[in-house]
Amino acid sequence: RKEVEQDPGPFNVPEGATVAFNCTYSNSASQSFFWYRQDCRKEPKLLMSVYSSGNEDGRFTAQLNRASQYISLLIRDSKLSDSATYLCVVNGDSGYALNFGKGTSLLVTP
Amino acid sequence: NAGVTQTPKFQVLKTGQSMTLQCAQDMNHEYMSWYRQDPGMGLRLIHYSVGAGITDQGEVPNGYNVSRSTTEDFPLRLLSAAPSQTSVYFCASSYSIEGVSGYTFGSGTRLTVV
Repeated sequence: RKEVEQDPGPFNVPEGATVAFNCTYSNSASQSFFWYRQDCRKEPKLLMSVYSSGNEDGRFTAQLNRASQYISLLIRDSKLSDSATYLCVVNGDSGYALNFGKGTSLLVTP
Repeated sequence: NAGVTQTPKFQVLKTGQSMTLQCAQDMNHEYMSWYRQDPGMGLRLIHYSVGAGITDQGEVPNGYNVSRSTTEDFPLRLLSAAPSQTSVYFCASSYSIEGVSGYTFGSGTRLTVV
């Protein structure tokens, strides 16, 4: 079983829509959780960390459910510039390395 | 402050050739790592280092060597290139060994082995 699993999508949504991505992870000992954004043919960039109490950064809200080993990302009022692949990331067994999901593709249309 | 710098950006190799992908960071990060990204496979960890002189294997280390003689540099060596090593390679660094701060990635090296 892959350590981090995501729905690959694609998610096609109109501008202004709200969209949610989900992710599950297999290592119950994981302590660090992130969402990264990757544009086509570019490097991944940190979007936000995910904290146990949930956290918000502008239009983006991340939630963590440790009991279910589940992470979510909510994007409100989608913009064309939000079109990208969103990677769910969890630290691995060693505590050092980060394990990346395969990503969820989002396309925001006019 | 350049962040993480990878060279070259593009490379074509013939099967059996060797080469070194360079990675340098100027943020005094202790943790550095190499990932490869293939279509449909996501990012997979090749090797990582938690400080100068310390390296360890990741998920897909075969065919690659690394060394960490300084905090700044973490080169990845392909010993004898194979078509299966055609991929995009990303170097990443973090000031936190536990990765709690997230990673900073280089812009990648696109490698084709023919």
